[in-house]
Amino acid sequence: AQSVTQLDSQVPVFEEAPVELRCNYSSSVSVYLFWYVQYPNQGLQLLLKYLSGSTLVKGINGFEAEFNKSQTSFHLRKPSVHISDTAEYFCAGERAVSGGYQKVTFGTGTKLQVIP
Amino acid sequence: NAGVTQTPKFQVLKTGQSMTLQCAQDMNHNSMYWYRQDPGMGLRLIYYSASEGTTDKGEVPNGYNVSRLNKREFSLRLESAAPSQTSVYFCASNGGLNYEQYFGPGTRLTVT
Repeated sequence: AQSVTQLDSQVPVFEEAPVELRCNYSSSVSVYLFWYVQYPNQGLQLLLKYLSGSTLVKGINGFEAEFNKSQTSFHLRKPSVHISDTAEYFCAGERAVSGGYQKVTFGTGTKLQVIP
Repeated sequence: NAGVTQTPKFQVLKTGQSMTLQCAQDMNHNSMYWYRQDPGMGLRLIYYSASEGTTDKGEVPNGYNVSRLNKREFSLRLESAAPSQTSVYFCASNGGLNYEQYFGPGTRLTVT
């Protein structure tokens, strides 16, 4: 069964410091991997996605993630965070199942708190 | 282009009352989903619809029913609300494999 694990429920970091949010996945089939961000009282929106090709993926707002097949990881990074990055971040994996449906499995989320 | 819209934004119900959460998308997507979000549990899939006219259960379908009225609309019904259904509900749609999900703004439901 496919699962997505986010290892940290909360990550406090000082403004302008670097941050890494960790995500590990397990699957016996190919997956497509995503990071979403959720600002308070809003829905989720896409930060970046990995489908194939280059293992380093760049997204919006200066975030990037690296797909590591041997370690089954897809960690999210930003070299210098801003107050406005305070939000909850979700890692997700997607694969096709029968009937044309795309099964999406979300991690439990990591709350990033940027400290001034 | 509004994306995914949901109504209502907030709702308070008493135990045993019923209600329907509405969702619509204007992106011509085949797949639509209903999730609930609870603290520390991420998003859990309630029901999904791979295409117009089809619906299937997700991880936590008990106490809910859905209708895929047409390609645009996918509603979620609580027949007899329970306090355990207090949650934030999100509707999402997807344009196909390896496309991202587009989420609505959510409905915050409290059942007393």
